[in-house]
Amino acid sequence: NAGVTQTPKFQVLKTGQSMTLQCAQDMNHNSMYWYRQDPGMGLRLIYYSASEGTTDKGEVPNGYNVSRLNKREFSLRLESAAPSQTSVYFCASRQGLNYGYTFGSGTRLTVV
Amino acid sequence: RKEVEQDPGPFNVPEGATVAFNCTYSNSASQSFFWYRQDCRKEPKLLMSVYSSGNEDGRFTAQLNRASQYISLLIRDSKLSDSATYLCVVNNNDMRFGAGTRLTVKP
Repeated sequence: NAGVTQTPKFQVLKTGQSMTLQCAQDMNHNSMYWYRQDPGMGLRLIYYSASEGTTDKGEVPNGYNVSRLNKREFSLRLESAAPSQTSVYFCASRQGLNYGYTFGSGTRLTVV
Repeated sequence: RKEVEQDPGPFNVPEGATVAFNCTYSNSASQSFFWYRQDCRKEPKLLMSVYSSGNEDGRFTAQLNRASQYISLLIRDSKLSDSATYLCVVNNNDMRFGAGTRLTVKP
């Protein structure tokens, strides 16, 4: 019953450092998503992958890149971290367009 | 204008009270709708889908008004464990989330 697994759970980066957030789902879902959540802003979509082999930008893609490595895995990369990227990052997946999401437990990222 | 708007609250209600949340959305082509619940420092979890005919799950009732572009969630007989933030979600090709309404149920 793993569902959606995100790693790491917590991370502190210095400005300019890079890192990759990992996400894997074991539900055979087609679509995967990366969101960030900031106080008062709600969840905002960074990138998504509607199916294996495709990726698309969401509302706030600047400063991020993604890779849909296979059907299970969808990673988010910060090439040069900035303090504005301090946030909680959630990965989610779903079977199809009219289905709800299943979320991972989140990554709390602080950029100093 | 935000795509999905909710009253942020907080709503502070006593146990046993009935409380209702509304949510408005701007995209009339939106296809499906959901309510999620998020506990402090946890991930959002699906509470219920919202159907055009309205739907009920125990103490929770969700309704959709496409003409006025709003969604509602009614919680009857509130429990302490209902304390959480409730997120309204509107689906097109991806899901757009409201900022959430915070509910605190007090003894």
